[in-house]
Amino acid sequence: AQSVTQLDSHVSVSEGTPVLLRCNYSSSYSPSLFWYVQHPNKGLQLLLKYTSAATLVKGINGFEAEFKKSETSFHLTKPSAHMSDAAEYFCVVSEPTGGFKTIFGAGTRLFVKA
Amino acid sequence: DTGVSQDPRHKITKRGQNVTFRCDPISEHNRLYWYRQTLGQGPEFLTYFQNEAQLEKSRLLSDRFSAERPKGSFSTLEIQRTEQGDSAMYLCASSLDALVYNEQFFGPGTRLTVL
Repeated sequence: AQSVTQLDSHVSVSEGTPVLLRCNYSSSYSPSLFWYVQHPNKGLQLLLKYTSAATLVKGINGFEAEFKKSETSFHLTKPSAHMSDAAEYFCVVSEPTGGFKTIFGAGTRLFVKA
Repeated sequence: DTGVSQDPRHKITKRGQNVTFRCDPISEHNRLYWYRQTLGQGPEFLTYFQNEAQLEKSRLLSDRFSAERPKGSFSTLEIQRTEQGDSAMYLCASSLDALVYNEQFFGPGTRLTVL
Protein backbone atom coordinates (compact mmCIF):
# COMPACT_ATOMS: atom_id res chain seq x y z
CA ALA A 1 0.00 0.00 0.00
CA GLN A 2 1.22 3.46 -0.74
CA SER A 3 1.53 6.26 1.80
CA VAL A 4 3.12 9.67 2.16
CA THR A 5 4.55 11.19 5.32
CA GLN A 6 5.48 14.83 5.50
CA LEU A 7 7.73 14.98 8.50
CA ASP A 8 7.05 18.58 9.50
CA SER A 9 3.65 20.19 9.80
CA HIS A 10 5.25 23.67 10.01
CA VAL A 11 8.61 25.02 8.87
CA SER A 12 9.78 28.56 9.56
CA VAL A 13 12.76 30.15 7.81
CA SER A 14 14.15 33.63 7.36
CA GLU A 15 14.06 35.25 3.97
CA GLY A 16 17.22 34.43 2.03
CA THR A 17 17.97 31.21 3.94
CA PRO A 18 17.58 27.65 2.57
CA VAL A 19 14.31 25.76 2.64
CA LEU A 20 14.00 22.03 3.35
CA LEU A 21 10.60 20.33 3.38
CA ARG A 22 10.82 16.63 4.10
CA CYS A 23 8.77 13.85 2.56
CA ASN A 24 8.98 10.08 2.91
CA TYR A 25 6.87 7.71 0.88
CA SER A 26 5.93 4.07 0.71
CA SER A 27 4.93 2.35 -2.51
CA SER A 28 4.71 -1.17 -3.88
CA TYR A 29 5.57 0.03 -7.36
CA SER A 30 7.85 2.54 -8.98
CA PRO A 31 5.85 5.60 -8.06
CA SER A 32 5.55 9.01 -9.56
CA LEU A 33 6.17 11.72 -7.00
CA PHE A 34 5.06 15.32 -7.00
CA TRP A 35 5.20 18.46 -4.94
CA TYR A 36 2.27 20.84 -5.08
CA VAL A 37 1.97 24.29 -3.51
CA GLN A 38 -1.24 25.89 -2.28
CA HIS A 39 -1.32 29.59 -1.56
CA PRO A 40 -4.18 30.95 0.54
CA ASN A 41 -7.42 31.12 -1.43
CA LYS A 42 -5.71 29.77 -4.54
CA GLY A 43 -5.76 26.42 -6.27
CA LEU A 44 -3.09 23.75 -6.03
CA GLN A 45 -0.16 24.34 -8.34
CA LEU A 46 2.37 21.74 -9.44
CA LEU A 47 5.91 22.63 -8.39
CA LEU A 48 7.74 19.64 -9.80
CA LYS A 49 7.41 15.95 -10.62
CA TYR A 50 9.55 12.84 -10.59
CA THR A 51 8.69 10.15 -13.13
CA SER A 52 11.66 7.72 -13.05
CA ALA A 53 13.97 9.89 -15.10
CA ALA A 54 16.65 12.04 -13.42
CA THR A 55 16.64 11.69 -9.65
CA LEU A 56 17.25 15.41 -9.13
CA VAL A 57 14.20 17.25 -10.33
CA LYS A 58 14.05 20.99 -10.89
CA GLY A 59 10.75 22.81 -10.61
CA ILE A 60 9.35 26.27 -10.79
CA ASN A 61 10.41 29.23 -8.64
CA GLY A 62 13.83 27.77 -7.86
CA PHE A 63 12.58 24.66 -6.07
CA GLU A 64 14.10 21.24 -6.60
CA ALA A 65 13.71 17.78 -5.11
CA GLU A 66 15.85 14.67 -5.04
CA PHE A 67 14.42 11.17 -5.31
CA LYS A 68 16.33 8.78 -3.04
CA LYS A 69 15.02 5.27 -3.45
CA SER A 70 17.22 3.80 -0.72
CA GLU A 71 15.81 6.29 1.77
CA THR A 72 12.31 6.38 0.23
CA SER A 73 12.52 10.14 0.39
CA PHE A 74 11.63 13.03 -1.89
CA HIS A 75 12.63 16.16 0.02
CA LEU A 76 11.92 19.60 -1.41
CA THR A 77 14.61 22.27 -1.24
CA LYS A 78 15.26 25.83 -2.29
CA PRO A 79 18.58 27.63 -1.76
CA SER A 80 17.11 30.97 -0.77
CA ALA A 81 13.60 31.56 0.55
CA HIS A 82 11.49 34.45 -0.63
CA MET A 83 8.53 35.98 1.16
CA SER A 84 6.27 34.82 -1.66
CA ASP A 85 7.17 31.19 -0.90
CA ALA A 86 5.02 31.26 2.23
CA ALA A 87 2.31 28.67 1.53
CA GLU A 88 1.20 25.09 2.15
CA TYR A 89 3.22 22.40 0.38
CA PHE A 90 1.98 18.90 -0.37
CA CYS A 91 4.02 15.85 -1.28
CA VAL A 92 2.07 13.45 -3.50
CA VAL A 93 2.67 9.86 -4.58
CA SER A 94 0.94 8.21 -7.49
CA GLU A 95 1.28 4.60 -8.59
CA PRO A 96 1.06 3.65 -12.27
CA THR A 97 -1.27 0.72 -11.63
CA GLY A 98 -4.33 -0.21 -13.63
CA GLY A 99 -6.47 1.44 -11.03
CA PHE A 100 -6.05 4.89 -9.60
CA LYS A 101 -4.01 5.65 -6.50
CA THR A 102 -2.91 9.16 -5.69
CA ILE A 103 -2.17 10.01 -2.09
CA PHE A 104 -1.46 13.47 -0.69
CA GLY A 105 0.61 14.08 2.39
CA ALA A 106 -0.89 16.09 5.21
CA GLY A 107 1.01 19.18 4.12
CA THR A 108 3.77 21.41 5.45
CA ARG A 109 3.05 25.05 6.14
CA LEU A 110 6.08 27.19 5.24
CA PHE A 111 6.50 30.50 7.05
CA VAL A 112 9.05 33.00 5.78
CA LYS A 113 10.23 35.72 8.15
CA ALA A 114 11.55 39.04 6.94
CA ASP B 1 -8.68 30.60 -19.53
CA THR B 2 -8.30 26.91 -20.40
CA GLY B 3 -7.77 25.61 -16.87
CA VAL B 4 -10.07 23.52 -14.70
CA SER B 5 -13.11 25.46 -13.53
CA GLN B 6 -15.53 24.72 -10.70
CA ASP B 7 -18.92 26.13 -9.89
CA PRO B 8 -19.98 27.45 -7.47
CA ARG B 9 -16.92 28.66 -5.62
CA HIS B 10 -18.79 28.84 -2.34
CA LYS B 11 -21.95 27.12 -1.12
CA ILE B 12 -23.69 27.55 2.20
CA THR B 13 -26.52 25.17 2.92
CA LYS B 14 -28.56 23.90 5.81
CA ARG B 15 -28.18 20.40 7.14
CA GLY B 16 -30.37 17.96 5.28
CA GLN B 17 -30.38 19.85 1.99
CA ASN B 18 -28.96 18.49 -1.25
CA VAL B 19 -26.16 20.25 -3.07
CA THR B 20 -24.59 19.79 -6.49
CA PHE B 21 -21.20 20.97 -7.69
CA ARG B 22 -19.92 21.18 -11.23
CA CYS B 23 -16.43 20.71 -12.63
CA ASP B 24 -15.28 21.55 -16.14
CA PRO B 25 -11.91 19.91 -16.87
CA ILE B 26 -9.29 20.93 -19.38
CA SER B 27 -10.91 20.00 -22.67
CA GLU B 28 -8.47 17.35 -23.92
CA HIS B 29 -8.13 15.60 -20.55
CA ASN B 30 -9.64 12.13 -20.30
CA ARG B 31 -9.36 11.73 -16.57
CA LEU B 32 -11.27 13.68 -13.96
CA TYR B 33 -10.92 13.44 -10.20
CA TRP B 34 -12.78 14.65 -7.15
CA TYR B 35 -11.10 15.31 -3.82
CA ARG B 36 -12.19 16.63 -0.47
CA GLN B 37 -9.95 18.83 1.64
CA THR B 38 -10.68 19.74 5.22
CA LEU B 39 -8.89 22.42 7.17
CA GLY B 40 -5.27 21.57 7.89
CA GLN B 41 -5.29 18.39 5.82
CA GLY B 42 -4.19 17.37 2.39
CA PRO B 43 -6.76 16.56 -0.29
CA GLU B 44 -8.37 13.15 0.08
CA PHE B 45 -9.32 11.21 -3.02
CA LEU B 46 -13.05 10.64 -3.52
CA THR B 47 -13.49 9.26 -7.02
CA TYR B 48 -12.19 9.37 -10.54
CA PHE B 49 -13.45 9.04 -14.10
CA GLN B 50 -11.81 7.97 -17.29
CA ASN B 51 -13.98 9.55 -19.93
CA GLU B 52 -17.54 8.82 -18.76
CA ALA B 53 -16.68 5.72 -16.75
CA GLN B 54 -16.35 6.02 -12.99
CA LEU B 55 -13.44 3.67 -12.33
CA GLU B 56 -12.76 4.02 -8.65
CA LYS B 57 -14.49 5.32 -5.55
CA SER B 58 -13.02 5.89 -2.13
CA ARG B 59 -14.65 4.46 0.97
CA LEU B 60 -15.04 8.13 1.94
CA LEU B 61 -17.73 8.38 -0.71
CA SER B 62 -20.78 7.35 1.27
CA ASP B 63 -24.17 6.51 -0.22
CA ARG B 64 -25.14 10.16 0.06
CA PHE B 65 -22.50 11.10 -2.49
CA SER B 66 -22.86 10.54 -6.21
CA ALA B 67 -20.73 11.71 -9.10
CA GLU B 68 -21.40 11.64 -12.80
CA ARG B 69 -19.61 12.52 -15.99
CA PRO B 70 -22.32 11.80 -18.54
CA LYS B 71 -20.60 12.75 -21.77
CA GLY B 72 -17.01 12.45 -20.68
CA SER B 73 -16.66 16.20 -20.40
CA PHE B 74 -17.93 18.08 -17.32
CA SER B 75 -18.71 16.28 -14.08
CA THR B 76 -21.12 16.82 -11.21
CA LEU B 77 -20.79 15.83 -7.58
CA GLU B 78 -24.02 15.65 -5.60
CA ILE B 79 -24.31 15.35 -1.86
CA GLN B 80 -27.72 14.37 -0.54
CA ARG B 81 -28.98 15.10 2.97
CA THR B 82 -25.91 17.13 3.83
CA GLU B 83 -24.37 16.84 7.28
CA GLN B 84 -22.14 19.27 9.12
CA GLY B 85 -19.25 16.88 8.62
CA ASP B 86 -19.54 17.42 4.88
CA SER B 87 -18.24 20.96 5.29
CA ALA B 88 -15.00 21.06 3.33
CA MET B 89 -13.35 22.25 0.14
CA TYR B 90 -14.25 20.02 -2.80
CA LEU B 91 -11.55 19.97 -5.43
CA CYS B 92 -11.70 18.79 -8.99
CA ALA B 93 -8.68 17.91 -11.08
CA SER B 94 -8.10 16.59 -14.57
CA SER B 95 -5.27 14.89 -16.39
CA LEU B 96 -4.35 13.22 -19.61
CA ASP B 97 -4.53 9.45 -19.72
CA ALA B 98 -0.77 8.97 -19.30
CA LEU B 99 0.94 5.66 -18.65
CA VAL B 100 4.13 7.12 -17.24
CA TYR B 101 2.85 9.70 -14.82
CA ASN B 102 -0.34 11.20 -13.62
CA GLU B 103 0.09 14.97 -13.46
CA GLN B 104 -3.17 16.52 -12.37
CA PHE B 105 -4.34 20.08 -12.86
CA PHE B 106 -6.57 21.39 -10.12
CA GLY B 107 -9.50 23.73 -10.13
CA PRO B 108 -10.00 26.45 -7.50
CA GLY B 109 -12.40 24.31 -5.49
CA THR B 110 -15.91 24.68 -4.12
CA ARG B 111 -16.07 25.52 -0.44
CA LEU B 112 -19.11 23.93 1.20
CA THR B 113 -20.39 25.09 4.55
CA VAL B 114 -23.20 23.09 6.12
CA LEU B 115 -25.00 24.92 8.92
